Order: sequence, then C-alpha cells, then structure tokens
Amino acid sequence: DTGVSQDPRHKITKRGQNVTFRCDPISEHNRLYWYRQTLGQGPEFLTYFQNEAQLEKSRLLSDRFSAERPKGSFSTLEIQRTEQGDSAMYLCASSLEGIGEAFFGQGTRLTVV
Amino acid sequence: TQLLEQSPQFLSIQEGENLTVYCNSSSVFSSLQWYRQEPGEGPVLLVTVVTGGEVKKLKRLTFQFGDARKDSSLHITAAQPGDTGLYLCAANDYKLSFGAGTTVTVRA
Repeated sequence: DTGVSQDPRHKITKRGQNVTFRCDPISEHNRLYWYRQTLGQGPEFLTYFQNEAQLEKSRLLSDRFSAERPKGSFSTLEIQRTEQGDSAMYLCASSLEGIGEAFFGQGTRLTVV
Repeated sequence: TQLLEQSPQFLSIQEGENLTVYCNSSSVFSSLQWYRQEPGEGPVLLVTVVTGGEVKKLKRLTFQFGDARKDSSLHITAAQPGDTGLYLCAANDYKLSFGAGTTVTVRA
C-alpha cells in the first residue's frame, strides 16, 4: 500500500506534555498538508509544505505547534505543552503541486487528559 | 468566515430516497473536490471537477460544478445505508480549504 500513513493512530497524553506525530506521504507527492478536525466539522488547515519548504502556517495556530519536513519526505507535527483544547483528529494529506486532489492518511486521534 | 459554505449541515433520509448537498462560495476556483469521511477515518476523495458546468457521475452519485466555478452540488440517487457519512467539499486556492461538511444519515 503506497497511500499516506500516519503514526500513531491514537495518542492519549496528560496536559502539559509534548507530543509528536509522523506522516509519510505518497512518495511522488511534493505537497504535504496538516489539518485538525473536531467532531462533525470539516478539516481546519494548519500548515503545508512544498518539498521541504513550509509555505504557510495558519494564523490561528499557536506557537506551541511546529511542523517540519526534512528532505521533503516525511513530516512531523509537534505540539508542546498540550492543552485539553488540543484534543482532536490530526490529519495529514499529500498531493502533487498544481493539482487539488489530496489524499489523506487515517489520522491521529489526540486526547489530552 | 468560511471560504466554502455547505448546506444543509445535517441530512437524514430513508433508504431509497434521493438527496442533494450544496457547496457555495463567493470565490472562483480552479477546481473543486468532494470527499466522503467515515467516523475515525480520513476523508476519501470522490471526485474533482474542473470545468464550469461540468457534470460527473460516479455510480449513484452525480456531481455538478457551477458555470461560474463558484459552487457545486452532489446528488445521490436511491441512497443506501452505506452512503452514510460526512460529505466535504474542498477548493484549491493555493492550499486546500474545506467546507464544514454535511452529515448524511441514511436509515434502513
């Protein structure tokens, strides 16, 4: 299977702890997106990369959130000092530049207790 | 303010009925995608529409892109319980932006 994969699928953490999620995109895709989704809502844009360059970060995103895509392959999303409001599904998607079709991973469900 | 407005927010129908979901915006898009998402899973791409006035069919699903490329609709004929899910439209305005989604429930 050469689809988008995310790890872990589920993460439970205590408030104040740091968490890191990983996304492996489809190998030939140069764009990679991170989204956050709460129950019954559409995905909310967080950030996206073209190759290794982070081209945009949502203004709504706290400084506690950081993402990297070294070498333009896999990406990590780190949340520092987690808060209960960070509880959500974190989705990763990849696509080819200029083509809107994005393919999503199964997501990482974060629960902050 | 959402770039894409979806309506209705919720839709519950009986198996065999038809339904239509709408996606509207004041902006013009180069393309628009429809996704379907089941609980606990990531969205799955159903179709991409590119040309104004375009109509695409996927089995019992019919997708239409408005002539001005600002709006789109998804019509399901003879809905089945397996069509239950969150239907999302998304537009490629240099990044992929989503509507809030329409939750569709098809009762057996």
